[in-house]
Amino acid sequence: NAGVTQTPKFRILKIGQSMTLQCTQDMNHNYMYWYRQDPGMGLKLIYYSVGAGITDKGEVPNGYNVSRSTTEDFPLRLELAAPSQTSVYFCASSGTGTNEKLFFGSGTQLSVL
Amino acid sequence: QKEVEQDPGPLSVPEGAIVSLNCTYSNSAFQYFMWYRQYSRKGPELLMYTYSSGNKEDGRFTAQVDKSSKYISLFIRDSQPSDSATYLCAMSLSNFGNEKLTFGTGTRLTIIP
Repeated sequence: NAGVTQTPKFRILKIGQSMTLQCTQDMNHNYMYWYRQDPGMGLKLIYYSVGAGITDKGEVPNGYNVSRSTTEDFPLRLELAAPSQTSVYFCASSGTGTNEKLFFGSGTQLSVL
Repeated sequence: QKEVEQDPGPLSVPEGAIVSLNCTYSNSAFQYFMWYRQYSRKGPELLMYTYSSGNKEDGRFTAQVDKSSKYISLFIRDSQPSDSATYLCAMSLSNFGNEKLTFGTGTRLTIIP
């Protein structure tokens, strides 16, 4: 049981480039989330999904897109990378009951230069 | 004013000491309170989950919630070097779904052998 797996672990992008951060989970969780973590700012929710085909914006969605075609996968797309998107990105998943805890991946450290 | 305030530290204490980590919050509607532990270059993992006011104990860890003061604490007894990590508080209005979870900025803790 691998849990939540994120790839890549590190990436450097040039301004204006695009990339997709991959996230997959093997716990059959319906809920999946993307967060970014900046120093002194805490975890901020970018997008989330309550099931395949359903996504919704979080607190900081601008500059990002997501899709959810399967229960397992929840990729995050950056279309035109900007320095403000330099951050550590975490994918997480949880079950659909009450008091369900978040399971996090190990993160992707992204630098936009 | 941030919705959740947490002293970023860093906090360094000798092995075996009692550690006290704290968060204050402004939204009196928060009902569910969590502490996550995050090791360096890893995703957060849930440590403690409490509902409303009171104490909850799990081994060397005690979570305390004082809703009248809008103040939550995490106590670590007999601290160990393996407790060295960043501790994030989190809180929510609901125990269903994590999209409304609000995180603190984290306190970095080092236990000195």
